[in-house]
Amino acid sequence: NAGVTQTPKFQVLKTGQSMTLQCAQDMNHNSMYWYRQDPGMGLRLIYYSASEGTTDKGEVPNGYNVSRLNKREFSLRLESAAPSQTSVYFCASSQRAYGYTFGSGTRLTVV
Amino acid sequence: AQRVTQPEKLLSVFKGAPVELKCNYSYSGSPELFWYVQYSRQRLQLLLRHISRESIKGFTADLNKGETSFHLKKPFAQEEDSAMYYCALGTYGQNFVFGPGTRLSVLP
Repeated sequence: NAGVTQTPKFQVLKTGQSMTLQCAQDMNHNSMYWYRQDPGMGLRLIYYSASEGTTDKGEVPNGYNVSRLNKREFSLRLESAAPSQTSVYFCASSQRAYGYTFGSGTRLTVV
Repeated sequence: AQRVTQPEKLLSVFKGAPVELKCNYSYSGSPELFWYVQYSRQRLQLLLRHISRESIKGFTADLNKGETSFHLKKPFAQEEDSAMYYCALGTYGQNFVFGPGTRLSVLP
């Protein structure tokens, strides 16, 4: 039982490049999330998907897009990376009352 | 609006000393409270939930609705407890709200 799997674990991008962060969960959870974690800022919600076929903006959506491909997979895309998007990105999934299960994170550096 | 505060960014205690990580929330309904722990460069892991009233790794937390608090406590801190701790609030029909986190450093 893998839980939540994120790829890649590390990535370095040049400003203006694009990339997609992949996330998959095998717990049959309805809801999935993308967070970024920055020093002193805690966790900030980028986008979430309450169920398959729906996505909504979180606290800091600018510069990102998401796709809920199916119930298992929720990807995050940076169309034109900027240095301000240097961060650690976490995917999570949840089924109410049982809390969130997080992936291991993607450490992204934009130079 | 729902909000979670953790007043201490950093808390340092000596090994064997008691530790209390503070969490306060604002929510008018019935909250679900959680504590998450993140060890160095690892994923966030669920530590405990208020609804299960459990003790994990010696940590406990009691929901105090009168003071709107859910403080995390451990009577005797261990060096392996050094980590980042996040308090989270779950509310009906809404996403979790996370506090800013407290870094616990247990000194030898």
